[in-house]
Amino acid sequence: AQSVTQLGSHVSVSEGALVLLRCNYSSSVPPYLFWYVQYPNQGLQLLLKYTTGATLVKGINGFEAEFKKSETSFHLTKPSAHMSDAAEYFCAVRGNSGGSNYKLTFGKGTLLTVNP
Amino acid sequence: DAGITQSPRHKVTETGTPVTLRCHQTENHRYMYWYRQDPGHGLRLIHYSYGVKDTDKGEVSDGYSVSRSKTEDFLLTLESATSSQTSVYFCAIAPGVGTDTQYFGPGTRLTVL
Repeated sequence: AQSVTQLGSHVSVSEGALVLLRCNYSSSVPPYLFWYVQYPNQGLQLLLKYTTGATLVKGINGFEAEFKKSETSFHLTKPSAHMSDAAEYFCAVRGNSGGSNYKLTFGKGTLLTVNP
Repeated sequence: DAGITQSPRHKVTETGTPVTLRCHQTENHRYMYWYRQDPGHGLRLIHYSYGVKDTDKGEVSDGYSVSRSKTEDFLLTLESATSSQTSVYFCAIAPGVGTDTQYFGPGTRLTVL
């Protein structure tokens, strides 16, 4: 069984400030972890993913996330927020085997607001 | 972008009427998924398919059925729509091999009056 907790349903930052979106997961098997972004009235777009190997993962638009097994966390960061980063962000987890049928479990999302 | 289309993109219907949503892919991916998105709940899996005629339930399957007669099409049916099924519905596809990533369609906004 898997679950995802995103801390903070709404995060507000100033343009140019650090973005930190928190994600903690629970998984009975080694996880694959994903961050997706959803812009208004659009579908979800993959930002980045962790499967195996390097625990610091870089994604699109300057975002990165670090897998910390000891903390069961996969927090998303960006050094300097841009107005175009305003969107809803979803963390997701799945087991690392085909037996999971590649099903994802999503967190409830964090809405990021960027203030000028 | 992955070749995924959903139809219709918007629909308003009345309680008790049947509704079918269509997901069409051009990627020849094995796996297809239907999710619903509601404020405060994130995305929840309704049903998924792991091949033609092979489907299974997700966490919120009550009141929904699916069919997949061709690799490229995955249909979601609400046999008798209720107001609680007002939502945004997303289809996703995945190749079903390796590390695998799900790719999402643009969504269908369904309103049940």
